[in-house]
Amino acid sequence: EPEVTQTPSHQVTQMGQEVILRCVPISNHLYFYWYRQILGQKVEFLVSFYNNEISEKSEIFDDQFSVERPDGSNFTLKIRSTKLEDSAMYFCASSEWAGSGTEAFFGQGTRLTVV
Amino acid sequence: AQSVTQLGSHVSVSEGALVLLRCNYSSSVPPYLFWYVQYPNQGLQLLLKYTSAATLVKGINGFEAEFKKSETSFHLTKPSAHMSDAAEYFCAVTYTGGFKTIFGAGTRLFVKA
Repeated sequence: EPEVTQTPSHQVTQMGQEVILRCVPISNHLYFYWYRQILGQKVEFLVSFYNNEISEKSEIFDDQFSVERPDGSNFTLKIRSTKLEDSAMYFCASSEWAGSGTEAFFGQGTRLTVV
Repeated sequence: AQSVTQLGSHVSVSEGALVLLRCNYSSSVPPYLFWYVQYPNQGLQLLLKYTSAATLVKGINGFEAEFKKSETSFHLTKPSAHMSDAAEYFCAVTYTGGFKTIFGAGTRLFVKA
């Protein structure tokens, strides 16, 4: 069964460092997403991406964040200068369409720890 | 604005007992509703979804949910809990034209032997 894969599964970084979280969405999907889950809290939407541009982003997704689809298979989330409060589980997701009842398929997540 | 409210951050049942996890939605447009399950240290797995085809939706692992428009609810049930059902459950909503899934706060299910 096709799945969304994320690497790495865990990443520890020092405050102020840049990190790149990587995702390989399901191959025939057109919409890509990043979500964040701070430990013990709800899953929060960060950004959606379609046709090589951001289609929607949340207030959390400020100038420190950026997304890119550098090639035909990868989808990345970059945090330029990490803060302690960026520590969270980051989920990548993809879907064939947006809305209309099409579910998003989620990866296993990358646990980011900022020290 | 679209939102989802899950009543009860923690639910504890005995093995073999009925599981009922509550979810109410708020949406100004017809919603599409989902239940996801998250096992410890794992990702989100879709349990079931409502997309307006049928109000009673059956999912994996014996779970089902009923969409009740009059009550704006989409409660998740399972007739008989199993130890392996212990996990965090998230109700979520999307809508036509929307680009994101909106999640509830989650309900952690504990199953006692």
